[in-house]
Amino acid sequence: AQSVTQPDIHITVSEGASLELRCNYSYGATPYLFWYVQSPGQGLQLLLKYFSGDTLVQGIKGFEAEFKRSQSSFNLRKPSVHWSDAAEYFCASKYSSASKIIFGSGTRLSIRP
Amino acid sequence: NAGVTQTPKFQVLKTGQSMTLQCAQDMNHNSMYWYRQDPGMGLRLIYYSASEGTTDKGEVPNGYNVSRLNKREFSLRLESAAPSQTSVYFCASSEGVENIQYFGAGTRLSVL
Repeated sequence: AQSVTQPDIHITVSEGASLELRCNYSYGATPYLFWYVQSPGQGLQLLLKYFSGDTLVQGIKGFEAEFKRSQSSFNLRKPSVHWSDAAEYFCASKYSSASKIIFGSGTRLSIRP
Repeated sequence: NAGVTQTPKFQVLKTGQSMTLQCAQDMNHNSMYWYRQDPGMGLRLIYYSASEGTTDKGEVPNGYNVSRLNKREFSLRLESAAPSQTSVYFCASSEGVENIQYFGAGTRLSVL
């Protein structure tokens, strides 16, 4: 069955440091992949998506993600985090023919001043 | 530009009470979804509606019913609330194969 794994429940990084959030998906074919961000008390907002083509995708707020087929991964990165990046981040995937998205369990990001 | 609107934002129920969570979208999307979010479990799909007039069960449908009233509105009903239904509920809508989902701000429900 299709699944999305985010192995890190909670990560703390210092402001200005680089960030990488991990995501692994399980499915034979290349799925559609997404990263969403949820600020406290808010709904989810799309950060970026990968459907095909260039494996490095750029998103909003200075985020990027790289699709690695050999590792079944779609890790989210940011070169320098800001205090406003503190939030929960969700990786998600879907089959190209499916109408449903499967979400990972989320990674909560805290920023150390 | 409202997007996806959910009402109410907060609700407290007693066990056995019923209520309906409302969701409306103004983006002319065909597909709509109801999720629940619980700590450490991400978002779990309760029900979805791929188009007006159709609804399908998701991962955790037990204890819930839905109505796709028209293209804009998709409601979620708890007939007899239980403490296990204490959660944050999100409605979302999407369009097309890419299925980029747009979320409402959520309803925080406590069942005592």
